[in-house]
Amino acid sequence: AQKVTQAQTEISVVEKEDVTLDCVYETRDTTYYLFWYKQPPSGELVFLIRRNSFDEQNEISGRYSWNFQKSTSSFNFTITASQVVDSAVYFCALEVGVHMEYGNKLVFGAGTILRVKS
Amino acid sequence: DGGITQSPKYLFRKEGQNVTLSCEQNLNHDAMYWYRQDPGQGLRLIYYSQIVNDFQKGDIAEGYSVSREKKESFPLTVTSAQKNPTAFYLCASSFAWTGGTEAFFGQGTRLTVV
Repeated sequence: AQKVTQAQTEISVVEKEDVTLDCVYETRDTTYYLFWYKQPPSGELVFLIRRNSFDEQNEISGRYSWNFQKSTSSFNFTITASQVVDSAVYFCALEVGVHMEYGNKLVFGAGTILRVKS
Repeated sequence: DGGITQSPKYLFRKEGQNVTLSCEQNLNHDAMYWYRQDPGQGLRLIYYSQIVNDFQKGDIAEGYSVSREKKESFPLTVTSAQKNPTAFYLCASSFAWTGGTEAFFGQGTRLTVV
């Protein structure tokens, strides 16, 4: 079975603090993709990053960085020097059934609410 | 501007009524999806469609129906058989057939049973 666990329901930080959002996944597939999406108060999910199962390189994009470790089945997301605009719900997702006839289904974690206070 | 449009933003339904949520995209995407979001449960897949006139059940399809008569449109009907329809519904689309394709989401419809 495929599953994504985001154990942190809610995190509150003060502006300029660094914060890490945890994501642990389960799958028996050897080919899969992992995603992070941000859901601001407006409601739509905004794509942040994708990583395939064969690429364990960490990635940095501005204040955002991602740490993918297959050994621990984790794909954690760190925001450096957080800002009030980072306040949102963040979802980690796993894509399963890649290359199957009816594939490309996403399994989402429960989400982590991030509150950044000024 | 390209994107996904969901309407209405808020919808109220009486017990026993069917209601239809609209989803339109102009991104030329083949695949479209409907998700349900409940507090603390993340997003769960209701239905998805990879091509016109074809669609597949997701994890929680009971009490819902869809159609895909046009590439741009994927309406969701919440039927009276859905016992707990109050939720936030999100429509998404993506290019199909390739792994790792990012999905684009609409702004959602909040459905409340009154």
